[in-house]
Order: sequence, then structure tokens, then C-alpha cells
Amino acid sequence: DAGVIQSPRHEVTEMGQEVTLRCKPISGHNSLFWYRQTMMRGLELLIYFNNNVPIDDSGMPEDRFSAKMPNASFSTLKIQPSEPRDSAVYFCASSSGDREDQYFGPGTRLLVL
Amino acid sequence: GENVEQHPSTLSVQEGDSAVIKCTYSDSASNYFPWYKQELGKGPQLIIDIRSNVGEKKDQRIAVTLNKTAKHFSLHITETQPEDSAVYFCAASPPPGNTGKLIFGQGTTLQVKP
Repeated sequence: DAGVIQSPRHEVTEMGQEVTLRCKPISGHNSLFWYRQTMMRGLELLIYFNNNVPIDDSGMPEDRFSAKMPNASFSTLKIQPSEPRDSAVYFCASSSGDREDQYFGPGTRLLVL
Repeated sequence: GENVEQHPSTLSVQEGDSAVIKCTYSDSASNYFPWYKQELGKGPQLIIDIRSNVGEKKDQRIAVTLNKTAKHFSLHITETQPEDSAVYFCAASPPPGNTGKLIFGQGTTLQVKP
């Protein structure tokens, strides 16, 4: 299995631009999680999906952030407009429905100038 | 909601020594406690986990203990090696169950000096 796949691995953009991060979970996993990691705040859960349905988005910082999961094999996290304080590493993770152990992707390192 | 506190934030040990990282959680209904290792430039990787019906679990040089009464759990690494150097995260899975949501601690940077 290829594991969780994220793209792009690195993104540099200017303030105000739209950023789209992509994730392909492990085949057969039906839960998907988006995290943000910074030195100051550590690993924060932004949103998670179960069977493609958003279950808890209380960690999404503000309306500039949105996430979708149109099917079981693809999810996006969008930031519009982006701001310098959004600079962080964004991780996607997936898990199987009857197990809590999560498998993380390699992350997307985002820098907003 | 659930809150997980992790200590210490940094830990430096000599190769061959043991390392212990401790976590406390707030929700007594949490029932699953994994530990993740994150190497530089990579995502966190699960290394060991324990459920609330078990007090201790071992896997070669690593072990985890759980004290449900005190609501704390610990990671023990014996005979540390330089490749153990990484950031370690504890986590707890709060109810309701079967959604897989995890609340992570702040992380411990472990340095093993050769």
C-alpha cells in the first residue's frame, strides 16, 4: 500500500492567494483527518470526516478554511484568502472505521509570504 | 472536552540509557492511548498503543503503562539508540467512540547522544 498521499509537498504563495491541499487516504479507510502543525500550537485537529461526511469541524480556525471529501479516495483543504499566519505543516491522516490508529501522510509545508 | 498534557517538552539522554515520557488526560471516558514518533520532515508514525482495559504493553525496547485512576500514561524506551531521536506525541481518544478522533499532547523532543 502506498500509504496516505498528500500534494503538494511544499507550497509557497503570497498573501491573499487561494491555496488547495490534497489528500488521498489509504484504500479501505473510511475516516480522514486534517491537522495543522506549528511550533507554537503543536498538532491541531482541524476537521475530520467519517464515510465522507464531516463529523467535527470545530478546529477549523475561521471561514477562510474549508474542506471537502467528494469521495472515499480524495479530500481537499482550501484556504481562501491565505494569510502569513496560515504558514504551517498540514497533515492528512486516515483510519479504518473500527480502529482508532491513524496513519499520517508526509505533510504539506505551506509558506504564505 | 478532552485535554492531554505531556511532559517533558525536551529530553536528552545518553545512548543506552532509558527515557520516560509522561502524559495526563482529563476525560475519564477516554479509552485508547496511542504514541506517535515523528522524525524530521515526516508525518507522525504510530509506534505503540494501549487500551483502557490493559495496564501495560511492551514491544521490544518500548513499553507503555496506563493508570486509569490517576488518568496518566507513560512511554518507556529502554537501551536508547541515536535513531530513537525524534519528537514523540501521546494522544487520547475521547468518546463518543468509533470516530477515531484523537487529542494530541504537545510533544516531547528526545535527543539520544552517542
